[in-house]
Amino acid sequence: AQSVTQPDIHITVSEGASLELRCNYSYGATPYLFWYVQSPGQGLQLLLKYFSGDTLVQGIKGFEAEFKRSQSSFNLRKPSVHWSDAAEYFCAVRNQGGKLIFGQGTELSVKP
Amino acid sequence: EPEVTQTPSHQVTQMGQEVILRCVPISNHLYFYWYRQILGQKVEFLVSFYNNEISEKSEIFDDQFSVERPDGSNFTLKIRSTKLEDSAMYFCASSRRTADGDTQYFGPGTRLTVL
Repeated sequence: AQSVTQPDIHITVSEGASLELRCNYSYGATPYLFWYVQSPGQGLQLLLKYFSGDTLVQGIKGFEAEFKRSQSSFNLRKPSVHWSDAAEYFCAVRNQGGKLIFGQGTELSVKP
Repeated sequence: EPEVTQTPSHQVTQMGQEVILRCVPISNHLYFYWYRQILGQKVEFLVSFYNNEISEKSEIFDDQFSVERPDGSNFTLKIRSTKLEDSAMYFCASSRRTADGDTQYFGPGTRLTVL
């Protein structure tokens, strides 16, 4: 069955520190993978996506993610976190029909 | 930049009442979706819609739910007889398929509270 796992429910990092949010997926074919961010009371904003080609993808707000087929992972990274990055982050995989299957989400807190 | 809009932002209703949630997708998009997020839980797919037909629906999307594109711009989700467990944030999304795949753009959501 198709699924997405985000092992970390909550992460706290210091402002200026690096960040890595983990995402593992289960999908039979080549996956289309996404990271979305949700600020409190807001909708889902696309950070980046992977469809094919270069396995390191760049997104908005200085985020990047690396697709590793051998590990079934698509981890999100940022070299230096800003206080405004505090939000909930969702990893998702798209099935053939277009449906997005989301992970549980990782809540990021940033301490000064 | 074009965006998906949703109305109302918050809807409070009594159990058993009908509600209609409205969405205006991005104008050149052809694929439309509804998702919901119960407080503290993951975002769940409800239904996808293309060419005036449901393409796929989840087990959550039972006979109490229906979707419609009544005109060229709106996309609605109707819940016929609301239950307490329908309380959630409902997100509309739209996309268009391109050579490099498709990206779903989400609206800000409608928070539905069933009392």
